[in-house]
Amino acid sequence: GEQVEQRPPHLSVREGDSAFIICTYTDSATAYFYWYKQEPGAGLQLLMSVFSNVDRKEEQGLTVLLNKKDKRLSLNLTAAHPGDSAVYFCAVSIASSSFSKLVFGQGTSLSVVP
Amino acid sequence: GPKVLQIPSHQIIDMGQMVTLNCDPVSNHLYFYWYKQILGQQMEFLVNFYNGKVMEKSKLFKDQFSVERPDGSYFTLKIQPTALEDSAVYFCASSLEYEQYFGPGTRLTVL
Repeated sequence: GEQVEQRPPHLSVREGDSAFIICTYTDSATAYFYWYKQEPGAGLQLLMSVFSNVDRKEEQGLTVLLNKKDKRLSLNLTAAHPGDSAVYFCAVSIASSSFSKLVFGQGTSLSVVP
Repeated sequence: GPKVLQIPSHQIIDMGQMVTLNCDPVSNHLYFYWYKQILGQQMEFLVNFYNGKVMEKSKLFKDQFSVERPDGSYFTLKIQPTALEDSAVYFCASSLEYEQYFGPGTRLTVL
């Protein structure tokens, strides 16, 4: 079945710098891609969703790139601030139906240092 | 964004007992999910549920697990009996179509 690898597991950046997280997946039929943010004690907050017909999406300081040839998904946080400190997860689904399961990466613990 | 609630936030239970985890999904959502996350590991899909039926379940969804949503109330995950390896954080999610919205999780500790 689908496997998702996420790296790095831990990332520390200074306030104002960029943070870059990457995920690779195995199934070429994967059609839907998501980035979630998890703060301590909270659920997963959906940051951005990208469908397979999109290569690049930017929203509110976040840039998601999708390289279907290399089966790679990335998230770039520009000008990170301490409030961005959290665990970030990528997730993908084949989405043959509306209720397709998500397969998650292992998570990246981001620390933004003032 | 849309809010999914989970009750309780923590549950401690003795091995062999029954436990019910409750999820209050987004009100107009049609699809419901449970995921399991063992400390330090990836979040893994357990089951999804639509129109009163289980649509798909993973190998983690053991025979001791069951889900239901009677009369549009809570979407529940019941484990009976519990085992030590059931200790984990269980996340509920709901969706209208493809985007799944998650609750804060229930931390289950089986002693």
